[in-house]
Amino acid sequence: SQQGEEDPQALSIQEGENATMNCSYKTSINNLQWYRQNSGRGLVHLILIRSNEREKHSGRLRVTLDTSKKSSSLLITASRAADTASYFCATDAGYSTLTFGKGTMLLVSP
Amino acid sequence: EAGVVQSPRYKIIEKKQPVAFWCNPISGHNTLYWYLQNLGQGPELLIRYENEEAVDDSQLPKDRFSAERLKGVDSTLKIQPAELGDSAVYLCASSTGGRNTEAFFGQGTRLTVV
Repeated sequence: SQQGEEDPQALSIQEGENATMNCSYKTSINNLQWYRQNSGRGLVHLILIRSNEREKHSGRLRVTLDTSKKSSSLLITASRAADTASYFCATDAGYSTLTFGKGTMLLVSP
Repeated sequence: EAGVVQSPRYKIIEKKQPVAFWCNPISGHNTLYWYLQNLGQGPELLIRYENEEAVDDSQLPKDRFSAERLKGVDSTLKIQPAELGDSAVYLCASSTGGRNTEAFFGQGTRLTVV
């Protein structure tokens, strides 16, 4: 079963633009994580935000978390062609098992 | 430091045949996961180990799937017999465990059942 639901399913932008992806989930969480997956590869961890945090930054990434709405967003600023990938949110309800959403496919065109 | 290593990378088998996947986690990582990923979908947990103990195998189809993690290090996932619907990518991941830890994923094994 999948807890998270990313929106949009697919996003196409030009290099230099910002990309925003959203994630909604259903149950209480301990933390929420974002991962990137390039075609045919494994997942790479991007950022983790704890349930008591509201915003976190890492380089060109900005993540927000609203536990009252059970939602999170991932913002990638100044996108590059190399950012083309699928992005997944994953929730940890406190048992160390990550439950993933279906992902957002991001295409960044030069 | 080596990451999570999985083998084989690709496997093609006929239905009803057995198949096994192997995973070597990052050294020192007590938690090991096996996930299944269908095309266009997110990973779905099959089983999670804490050392050699399977602590979450509720999503593992036990009639045909089995897993083991002897000595709490590397792990094997087996399917016997394989069905056409088992075609997917099987991902292994590991983490140090505990609260607020990230998972490190292997490249996955792409299984095609014909």
